[in-house]
Amino acid sequence: DTGVSQDPRHKITKRGQNVTFRCDPISEHNRLYWYRQTLGQGPEFLTYFQNEAQLEKSRLLSDRFSAERPKGSFSTLEIQRTEQGDSAMYLCASSPTSGRRNEKLFFGSGTQLSVL
Amino acid sequence: AQKVTQAQTEISVVEKEDVTLDCVYETRDTTYYLFWYKQPPSGELVFLIRRNSFDEQNEISGRYSWNFQKSTSSFNFTITASQVVDSAVYFCALSSIIQGAQKLVFGQGTRLTINP
Repeated sequence: DTGVSQDPRHKITKRGQNVTFRCDPISEHNRLYWYRQTLGQGPEFLTYFQNEAQLEKSRLLSDRFSAERPKGSFSTLEIQRTEQGDSAMYLCASSPTSGRRNEKLFFGSGTQLSVL
Repeated sequence: AQKVTQAQTEISVVEKEDVTLDCVYETRDTTYYLFWYKQPPSGELVFLIRRNSFDEQNEISGRYSWNFQKSTSSFNFTITASQVVDSAVYFCALSSIIQGAQKLVFGQGTRLTINP
């Protein structure tokens, strides 16, 4: 496994700008997840995909947030009209749908977003 | 609603001491999973253990051990003979089994510092 990779590692933007993050899961992992982690808190679930289908979205995911996984491989998370409250670490994770390795999520190192 | 509480925000001990991280959870589900993840300074969450709610056997893995008590809704984690490399933030998490995918509810985390 090459691991889950996220790009960029850090993003600084001005309030009102749009930002897009990318996540490349471990190859052949069907499920891909997005979580958000604010300073001093545990990660909070945002959404997940099984292959290209987005199966669940948290209420935390406002209309300004959109996630895609067009070919069932990499995923993007876009935030439109960013607000200072969007400042957080955005974590991506992946897992297979079956087998022993399904028991855990494999997390990337995250994208740290700072909205000025 | 599901909730995980880690009452200890920070713990600091001297190397070789034993340390226990507390985790208390709330859920209405009769079957569920409990997890511990480690988050080192690099930011990537690392899976440590998953426990099914119907399996109350305690588990030991090297210097790590976990005490699951359904009667008190607790899933505590003990590190024996702590080492400086154990310094990290540790998260306890809960997931419903019926949801299939790993939609985790995390606690706030405990920052563990092991001093040489």
